[in-house]
Amino acid sequence: AQKVTQAQTEISVVEKEDVTLDCVYETRDTTYYLFWYKQPPSGELVFLIRRNSFDEQNEISGRYSWNFQKSTSSFNFTITASQVVDSAVYFCALSGGAEGGNEKLTFGTGTRLTIIP
Amino acid sequence: EAQVTQNPRYLITVTGKKLTVTCSQNMNHEYMSWYRQDPGLGLRQIYYSMNVEVTDKGDVPEGYKVSRKEKRNFPLILESPSPNQTSLYFCASSFSVGSSTDTQYFGPGTRLTVL
Repeated sequence: AQKVTQAQTEISVVEKEDVTLDCVYETRDTTYYLFWYKQPPSGELVFLIRRNSFDEQNEISGRYSWNFQKSTSSFNFTITASQVVDSAVYFCALSGGAEGGNEKLTFGTGTRLTIIP
Repeated sequence: EAQVTQNPRYLITVTGKKLTVTCSQNMNHEYMSWYRQDPGLGLRQIYYSMNVEVTDKGDVPEGYKVSRKEKRNFPLILESPSPNQTSLYFCASSFSVGSSTDTQYFGPGTRLTVL
């Protein structure tokens, strides 16, 4: 069975600090996909990134970066120079299967990030 | 504007009264899915559909039904709602499965309360 663990339930940092959100996953599939989503206080879910299991290159998008390490089954998310608008609940998710893609997407329980002005 | 819409956004109902939450996307997406979000549990997949007339169970399908008669619509049906189905529900869609560049779009959510 697939499992995603986000051990950090809540994190608070002062604005402009860097923060890393941890995500550890379990799967028996050799081909799988990892995701991060943001849920701001307004409640919608915002897709941030999708990474397949064959691509271990780190990804950077502006102040966001992701570190994928198969050896430790982790897909951590770092926000650099945090801003108040980054305050949200962040979900890590996993899907798998030889056909790839979105079947049976498994989410972690989320990390609530609060940026203190 | 590309979007996934859900209706209603908020619903309070009573135990046993059948209800349907509609989901519609205007992006010609093949894949659609329903999730429920509960405190401390994250999002859990209820059902998904890879194309018209193709549906399959997710992790928590009990008490729910779905249908995919048209590509754009994927309604979630609760034949006999119970209080444990009180939750925040999300519909999602993406163009296809298996694409590393595909983006998943989520609807705005439907907050359901079953008394």
